[in-house]
Amino acid sequence: GAGVSQSPSNKVTEKGKDVELRCDPISGHTALYWYRQSLGQGLEFLIYFQGNSAPDKSGLPSDRFSAERTGGSVSTLTIQRTQQEDSAVYLCASSSLGTLRGQPQHFGDGTRLSIL
Amino acid sequence: DAKTTQPNSMESNEEEPVHLPCNHSTISGTDYIHWYRQLPSQGPEYVIHGLTSNVNNRMASLAIAEDRKSSTLILHRATLRDAAVYYCILARYDSGYALNFGKGTSLLVTP
Repeated sequence: GAGVSQSPSNKVTEKGKDVELRCDPISGHTALYWYRQSLGQGLEFLIYFQGNSAPDKSGLPSDRFSAERTGGSVSTLTIQRTQQEDSAVYLCASSSLGTLRGQPQHFGDGTRLSIL
Repeated sequence: DAKTTQPNSMESNEEEPVHLPCNHSTISGTDYIHWYRQLPSQGPEYVIHGLTSNVNNRMASLAIAEDRKSSTLILHRATLRDAAVYYCILARYDSGYALNFGKGTSLLVTP
């Protein structure tokens, strides 16, 4: 079946521009996560959506970052007024139950964001 | 959050077994032990997870120490496609969680 899909796969933009990154989770998965991975580093948690509950935004690095999830499915991560330190691979993951029984997360291949 | 400790890198010959260790001495009773791997230019891939008992699946085996303070991911016959960074992660059972990826172990497989 289809896995987690992210678009675009690559994005190059100028400093100060806004960018939107899209994630299509696996159908039926109620939990959705955003992470980012800077060059040579581990993954850094950004935000977590679970069903209709308020999202856990504790990992967002600044108020320039926001995310929404419409209809419990597709999610968009928006970065406003991009800075060079925002350059990273942004990864999306989904899971079927999220909070219970340690269900695994399924990752997309990410969006590689480069800020010039 | 409970932490895990893994070697930075390991090397294995192709078609030989690989044992990837992980220490998690501060694990709590509600923590699952998860393993993921990340191949170059790809997102992480789930490998296996367990709570107390050893686990087997088509990809690997997970051996969990009786006191749960350590675990070992076992690849029974390494292939060149198994070259990746392997992450050992503790994930709480009872709350919404984000996976806390550390630096992982970079596995090199040589022909």
